[in-house]
Amino acid sequence: GAVVSQHPSWVICKSGTSVKIECRSLDFQATTMFWYRQFPKQSLMLMATSNEGSKATYEQGVEKDKFLINHASLTLSTLTVTSAHPEDSSFYICSASDRDRTEAFFGQGTRLTVV
Amino acid sequence: QKEVEQNSGPLSVPEGAIASLNCTYSDRGSQSFFWYRQYSGKSPELIMFIYSNGDKEDGRFTAQLNKASQYVSLLIRDSQPSDSATYLCAVKGRTNAGKSTFGDGTTLTVKP
Repeated sequence: GAVVSQHPSWVICKSGTSVKIECRSLDFQATTMFWYRQFPKQSLMLMATSNEGSKATYEQGVEKDKFLINHASLTLSTLTVTSAHPEDSSFYICSASDRDRTEAFFGQGTRLTVV
Repeated sequence: QKEVEQNSGPLSVPEGAIASLNCTYSDRGSQSFFWYRQYSGKSPELIMFIYSNGDKEDGRFTAQLNKASQYVSLLIRDSQPSDSATYLCAVKGRTNAGKSTFGDGTTLTVKP
């Protein structure tokens, strides 16, 4: 399968600061990337879909000004959690797919803790 | 009704047995079906995908799809303790770059 690398794998930040998470496709061109959030013992919740060179499409209830997504190249998408608060603490996971296949591959995930 | 439904479990089987995981979906236009495995604290990893009615086998895993019944299943033969994880069913519509809808997952425990 294809390789998607997510960085960092975990981060602790202070309340009110911003955190950037990177998602890279290492061996294919990711035309589409997806960002998910997962709380303990719950399922994946899709936050947004981003296509290279376009603005991200956010799911209902997800604040686009708080969760900034950039997909500037075919191998990199970033999620910035702005003015983070303790309730933003969660497991954030990206996945990526390209035009030639329907399956998506997940990054390793980033565990964010806001203190 | 959820778009993708799975029994939450937990499903417990003895080592060496067959584990059967089920998933139903509501969108009759769904085209692609995926099974992911997620270990606790880790991100999901793709096990297999299926597009056509019938069975698809890959090693100890068999995916079964019945579009008329809107049902997809995953069979794990010769279950091992290392198979203990949460299994997520995902369904995608017609667009290749479209998003997948995930079920809530079934937790499987394989007892030695």
